[in-house]
Amino acid sequence: EVQLLESGGGLVHPGGSLRLSCAASGFTFSSYAMTWVRQAPGKGLEWVSAFSGDGGSTYYADSVKGRFTISRDNSNNTLYLQMNSLRAEDTAVYYCARCNGDDCYFFDYWGQGTLVTVSS
Amino acid sequence: DIQMTQFPSTLSASVGDSVTITCRASESISNWLAWYQQKPGKAPNLLIYKASTLESGVPSRFSGSGSGTEFTLTISSLQPDDFATYYCQQYNSYWTFGQGTKVKIK
Repeated sequence: EVQLLESGGGLVHPGGSLRLSCAASGFTFSSYAMTWVRQAPGKGLEWVSAFSGDGGSTYYADSVKGRFTISRDNSNNTLYLQMNSLRAEDTAVYYCARCNGDDCYFFDYWGQGTLVTVSS
Repeated sequence: DIQMTQFPSTLSASVGDSVTITCRASESISNWLAWYQQKPGKAPNLLIYKASTLESGVPSRFSGSGSGTEFTLTISSLQPDDFATYYCQQYNSYWTFGQGTKVKIK
C-alpha cells in the first residue's frame, strides 16, 4: 500500500525557515517523480515544486522560486522541501504527492498534509 | 503560464442528479488534464487523467471528456459520497489547478 507521511510543519515568523519531510513507503521511491502541492486556508490547490524520479530535474512555481528547495533521499525514501524567507502568503497545508511515473504528469497518491503557518 | 478556469464555482444538486463541471484552459493542452475530488480536511483524490481515463477504483458514474481548451467532468446519478470540491489540473506545461467547484446538497 502506497503511503506518504508529511512532517515538519509548524508556526514560523516571517523571514524564517522550515524544512518539510515526506516519508514514502509501499512503492519503489526512486522510480517515481514526486511533488509538493499547497493549499492556503479556504483556498484552492497550488502546485509548488517537483523532482523527477531520476534525480535529474527540479521544478518550481514562480511564487517560491529562489526561496524553496526540493530534494530527495532515495536511500531513505524521503522527499524534502526546504523553505526559506517565508512570507505570510506561504501559510498553507503542504501536501506531498507521488507523480504517476518517473516523469511527472498527474499526481496519483497524496499524503495527509502538514500545516505551515507564517505569522509574527 | 497556462491558466485554468473552472465553472461553476459552486453547484447545488440532489442525490440522483447528473452534474457537469467545465474546465477551460488558456491555451491548448491537448488531453493533458486530470480531475481530483477533495473532501473537507482531506487530501485530494485522483479521479480521471488524460482527460477521460478513469483511475482504478473510481466509480463509473464519473466521466471526463474534452481536448484542446475545453473539458468537462460529469457525475451521473450523484451519490451522497460525491458532495465535495472538484479540481481540474493541466499537466501540458508544468502544473496548474483550476480554482475548484464545490458540489453542495440542494
